[in-house]
Amino acid sequence: NAGVTQTPKFQVLKTGQSMTLQCAQDMNHNSMYWYRQDPGMGLRLIYYSASEGTTDKGEVPNGYNVSRLNKREFSLRLESAAPSQTSVYFCASSRPNTGELFFGEGSRLTVL
Amino acid sequence: DAKTTQPPSMDCAEGRAANLPCNHSTISGNEYVYWYRQIHSQGPQYIIHGLKNNETNEMASLIITEDRKSSTLILPHATLRDTAVYYCIVRGLYGGSQGNLIFGKGTKLSVKP
Repeated sequence: NAGVTQTPKFQVLKTGQSMTLQCAQDMNHNSMYWYRQDPGMGLRLIYYSASEGTTDKGEVPNGYNVSRLNKREFSLRLESAAPSQTSVYFCASSRPNTGELFFGEGSRLTVL
Repeated sequence: DAKTTQPPSMDCAEGRAANLPCNHSTISGNEYVYWYRQIHSQGPQYIIHGLKNNETNEMASLIITEDRKSSTLILPHATLRDTAVYYCIVRGLYGGSQGNLIFGKGTKLSVKP
């Protein structure tokens, strides 16, 4: 099983450019999440989706939008990238009965 | 703010048990204690979780105090590959609280030969 797959793995943007980070899971999980991790810091929740068709803000949602396209896919969009959004982004999904989170390998974004 | 408090770093000799403490004095009755680890810059990896009883799996043991205000993750025979940042997290199992998973800075465990 692939688990949680994120694309792209690396991206460099200029300030003001837009892009979408893609995430897909093949475990039939209802809940999916987007986190960011800055150097030397823990993970911070950006947005989450408890089920298909629903999304909610996390701790640091400003500057981001999300789409839960279907049960498998949860995308994160930066409409106008800023240097403060330089970070590593992790997508995750959770197993319903245990709450165990499964993470992707991360997408490393640099905004110049 | 994170609901847990962990030491920023710990060292452990290879082959010895690594005991990682976590304080969660404000844990509520329906919240579980979860442990994850992050090796280098990979995505975090689930280790174990528990409510009030001690738990053991193939990776580790989790000891939760009777008052549930603290816990200890035990790696019984640490190897160099266990060098990682270990996160202790408290959260509910179901519902909206699933989204409010707060990672602190964790404990950086260094296993030394």
